[in-house]
Amino acid sequence: TQLLEQSPQFLSIQEGENLTVYCNSSSVFSSLQWYRQEPGEGPVLLVTVVTGGEVKKLKRLTFQFGDARKDSSLHITAAQPGDTGLYLCAGAVRGSTLGRLYFGRGTQLTVWP
Amino acid sequence: DAGVTQSPTHLIKTRGQHVTLRCSPISGHKSVSWYQQVLGQGPQFIFQYYEKEERGRGNFPDRFSARQFPNYSSELNVNALLLGDSALYLCASRPLAGWGQETQYFGPGTRLLVL
Repeated sequence: TQLLEQSPQFLSIQEGENLTVYCNSSSVFSSLQWYRQEPGEGPVLLVTVVTGGEVKKLKRLTFQFGDARKDSSLHITAAQPGDTGLYLCAGAVRGSTLGRLYFGRGTQLTVWP
Repeated sequence: DAGVTQSPTHLIKTRGQHVTLRCSPISGHKSVSWYQQVLGQGPQFIFQYYEKEERGRGNFPDRFSARQFPNYSSELNVNALLLGDSALYLCASRPLAGWGQETQYFGPGTRLLVL
């Protein structure tokens, strides 16, 4: 059973387009992280969100944590080929095993020039 | 500062063999977690160690074991390897172990292929 449902699984767009990736759960998270992963490498942290309703911006990337801390979204404006990669959301559930992150299956983004 | 380091980067083993994977956390980080990532899926939690003690374990068989050393580095051991153990094994570290300190920083991983 996947605690975090991530959608879409695949996304193929042209350079300059906007996109949104969603991460949903029925569980409440004490924090949620977004990572980007290249083939054969480890995930690289993009952002951590902690407070319900929190919005964080990282250049053209906007991250939002749902008010109830059960969902999150990643929005990319004017995507570029360098944004290509696997985007993973991961959350920590208070009351679960300390130090355990639950990951979504990931969204494979391809941006064509 | 150096990030999380893992060794070896790649490993090929045959069924039934044993493997040891190594991880050095970011300097000052005392908590280490291990994850298994099968192709096409997100990482799955195996273990968390803090101050040399196991603090959490995921749904993995007893063939999987780990330990943490006084310098906070860690080893993951897998016995009696199966074909299904082929995966990218990731190590992650974080400064402390308490709630509110959940952000983890990942190493490059060890790619294990079991033939």
